[in-house]
Amino acid sequence: ETGVTQTPRHLVMGMTNKKSLKCEQHLGHNAMYWYKQSAKKPLELMFVYSLEERVENNSVPSRFSPECPNSSHLFLHLHTLQPEDSALYLCASSQDQGVEETQYFGPGTRLLVL
Amino acid sequence: KQEVTQIPAALSVPEGENLVLNCSFTDSAIYNLQWFRQDPGKGLTSLLLIQSSQREQTSGRLNASLDKSSGRSTLYIAASQPGDSATYLCASGGSNYKLTFGKGTLLTVNP
Repeated sequence: ETGVTQTPRHLVMGMTNKKSLKCEQHLGHNAMYWYKQSAKKPLELMFVYSLEERVENNSVPSRFSPECPNSSHLFLHLHTLQPEDSALYLCASSQDQGVEETQYFGPGTRLLVL
Repeated sequence: KQEVTQIPAALSVPEGENLVLNCSFTDSAIYNLQWFRQDPGKGLTSLLLIQSSQREQTSGRLNASLDKSSGRSTLYIAASQPGDSATYLCASGGSNYKLTFGKGTLLTVNP
């Protein structure tokens, strides 16, 4: 158990649906991350939050909308997704924002867009 | 733009064998190099982190080396066990918080 939980673990949605992914970290960390892992592609950083402020939006389409209400919780709101958005979405946290910090990952949400 | 390549994409070995996983990166101006393990359907677990000033790091049966000048890192696993079966990912740490990942090597250790 890494101390980072994600819900739901699996999600199937139509292109017109709106859904949200939730991430919670129990490690007292200040930085949280959303990553996308597509089949046969490297992990891609999507968003970074540090002390509840977004510090990075890595050219992610607006149909993905992150929210960080406090340092323990991170959401990814999804709307009008495309089939190519089907992937494993991973959340991670680290003590602080910095490349030297070890990132702790959640188990991911497997998303299928029909 | 940093690109990280991992070779081979998949590797199958008998139990007890020593093995090496390779990682190469195009931009040598890295802050560190990290190795992660990913089990099926699960997130990533950090294994080793090598700072740019270091040459290697060891943890148990794992040894990771870093050669910045040649843009290469290796992960050496000694006396492999079936429980080592997983996907191994390397990631270069760039400016600030950004990690650039390779696609991973899928390792299968056969009993």
